[in-house]
Amino acid sequence: QKEVEQNSGPLSVPEGAIASLNCTYSDRGSQSFFWYRQYSGKSPELIMSIYSNGDKEDGRFTAQLNKASQYVSLLIRDSQPSDSATYLCAVRSGGTSYGKLTFGQGTILTVHP
Amino acid sequence: DADVTQTPRNRITKTGKRIMLECSQTKGHDRMYWYRQDPGLGLRLIYYSFDVKDINKGEISDGYSVSRQAQAKFSLSLESAIPNQTALYFCATSDSRAGGYNEQFFGPGTRLTVL
Repeated sequence: QKEVEQNSGPLSVPEGAIASLNCTYSDRGSQSFFWYRQYSGKSPELIMSIYSNGDKEDGRFTAQLNKASQYVSLLIRDSQPSDSATYLCAVRSGGTSYGKLTFGQGTILTVHP
Repeated sequence: DADVTQTPRNRITKTGKRIMLECSQTKGHDRMYWYRQDPGLGLRLIYYSFDVKDINKGEISDGYSVSRQAQAKFSLSLESAIPNQTALYFCATSDSRAGGYNEQFFGPGTRLTVL
């Protein structure tokens, strides 16, 4: 079992719709969770961080965390073609691996006009 | 702006050659990381350094070595490059004093091709 799993997609949504991206993780000791956006050929860009159960909103983005289910998601409201990218879920574990991130393989999102 | 830079941005080399990728940052962060990215495999950690005297292997360190010359500089070396080291390489930084998140910020990447 991979430590961090994402549906690789591609996920295709129409412009203006809500895009829902999901991520599960295996280490119950994980403490912080991140979503990165990566355009083709570019570096990952941090868009959301969350470490408490529940929702965290920032503009059109909402991160949702459920530690009991070991599940983190990213919702993108009013999706725009410029949101088309690969979205990477990253998880930071505690203990001796403090500070290290484990990444999922990424979900490709396409927003079509 | 505080930033993370990587040199070179693109490099083509031949099997058996030694190559060094360099990373510099002006963010004042104490922690630095090297990742490689391959299609379908996501980002994998090669080495990481929590300060100048603390260097650790990541999940795929074989065939690589690193040097932390200063808090702001972290170099990755391929002693004898092989074709399966062809990949996109990213440097990242984080600040241990920033609290619980310890968010990582990435440089622009180096595209390395080994022929």
